[in-house]
Amino acid sequence: DIQLTQSPSSLSASVGDRVSITCRASQSISNFLNWYQQKPGKAPKLLIYTTSSLQSGVPSRFSGDKSGTDFTLTISSLQPEDFATYYCQQSYNTPLTFGGGTKVEIK
Amino acid sequence: EVQLVESGGGLVQPGGSLRLSCAASGLTFSSYWMNWVRQAPGKGLEWVANIKQDGSEKNYVDSVKGRFTISRDNAKNSLYLQMNSLRAEDTAVYFCAKERLGIDAFDIWGQGTMVTVSS
Repeated sequence: DIQLTQSPSSLSASVGDRVSITCRASQSISNFLNWYQQKPGKAPKLLIYTTSSLQSGVPSRFSGDKSGTDFTLTISSLQPEDFATYYCQQSYNTPLTFGGGTKVEIK
Repeated sequence: EVQLVESGGGLVQPGGSLRLSCAASGLTFSSYWMNWVRQAPGKGLEWVANIKQDGSEKNYVDSVKGRFTISRDNAKNSLYLQMNSLRAEDTAVYFCAKERLGIDAFDIWGQGTMVTVSS
């Protein structure tokens, strides 16, 4: 099974900060990496698919990139509504797997 | 509006069974792979199973193989998860989720239904 390791597990940031979250895959997954945002008590929301494609309706301050087996979600200017938990997920093969999550909190 | 609505969750004793349902509306249900994803209280997301458009192909996470069965009824725009031999570690919110066409990313989610396995 493909393991996804997210870092950090949590971070504190201020509104307007640039924030980056990393997801490392245990093997090559090509570009088959997706990112989700989840707020407490709610279902996850797809932000980015296949590494860097922005899901419809998602603000352009969210972006994704990769370097080898390291994938990055970047929020260019953190907004109040962005405080949430973020998960990466690989869609390279089954079992589909998620990273452990990164909680973004208000500083 | 595209919508997925889960039902069927509840409290069940260890070793018991439960059948979850997911009703889809506002989309051509038969065109998409469909998935179940779960989240234990205070924990992360875990993919459980998926099923091809015509039901001919199904995949499961190892921890539920032989105990859970995913199925669908395209005429009723519905997805199901039959859960047998339930264990305490199956306690979670269960979400149904639609694939983004051609990619195993989940672009539409239901609100989730809670399954609690406890004596």
